Amino acid sequence: GAVVSQHPSWVICKSGTSVKIECRSLDFQATTMFWYRQFPKQSLMLMATSNEGSKATYEQGVEKDKFLINHASLTLSTLTVTSAHPEDSSFYICSASRDKVNQPQHFGDGTRLSIL
Amino acid sequence: GQNIDQPTEMTATEGAIVQINCTYQTSGFNGLFWYQQHAGEAPTFLSYNVLDGLEEKGRFSSFLSRSKGYSYLLLKELQMKDSASYLCAVGPGSTLGRLYFGRGTQLTVWP
Repeated sequence: GAVVSQHPSWVICKSGTSVKIECRSLDFQATTMFWYRQFPKQSLMLMATSNEGSKATYEQGVEKDKFLINHASLTLSTLTVTSAHPEDSSFYICSASRDKVNQPQHFGDGTRLSIL
Repeated sequence: GQNIDQPTEMTATEGAIVQINCTYQTSGFNGLFWYQQHAGEAPTFLSYNVLDGLEEKGRFSSFLSRSKGYSYLLLKELQMKDSASYLCAVGPGSTLGRLYFGRGTQLTVWP
């Protein structure tokens, strides 16, 4: 069964809306979670590393004020796309693994975001 | 910088064997992962190699040569459901769990 849950699966909303996406590890604690974005026919691009109890680490070129990440507990990280615009439409995926070396990342089912 | 290279597309027929290659150049190495991703879905874990050699798991096998910066995923007895994108990912080791992904190889299996 799924070990990482992501919600919602689909979001369609108007330009200017803020959208929150949740990522939960279901049967393990994850100090670190990762947020990716994937455009059609392209690979996964790491956006940021979500750290429990501290600030997220953003990849170069990712606006931290636009993509707000909160990792308030060991099983939950949230990504909020603030004031979303059509160019933010994409497939957003989170991942988490058990806090041990060489553990595979398990991915959530992804959130397809469409901004009209 | 990090560079992970794999072919963009491959095709094969049902029952055949296909090998998907991956070469990498990363600052640090803490393992290489293969994931399968069907269109519109999230990736699912297939295999992991951290030492040189072949890891076999049913119809799928993965090979690693650290000295050559090279890995391959071998799929045997291909089935139509194996049509998907196969992602090669390297863990640089600097941050636990962080992965760098190749752009993926889109495999199409024909009847």
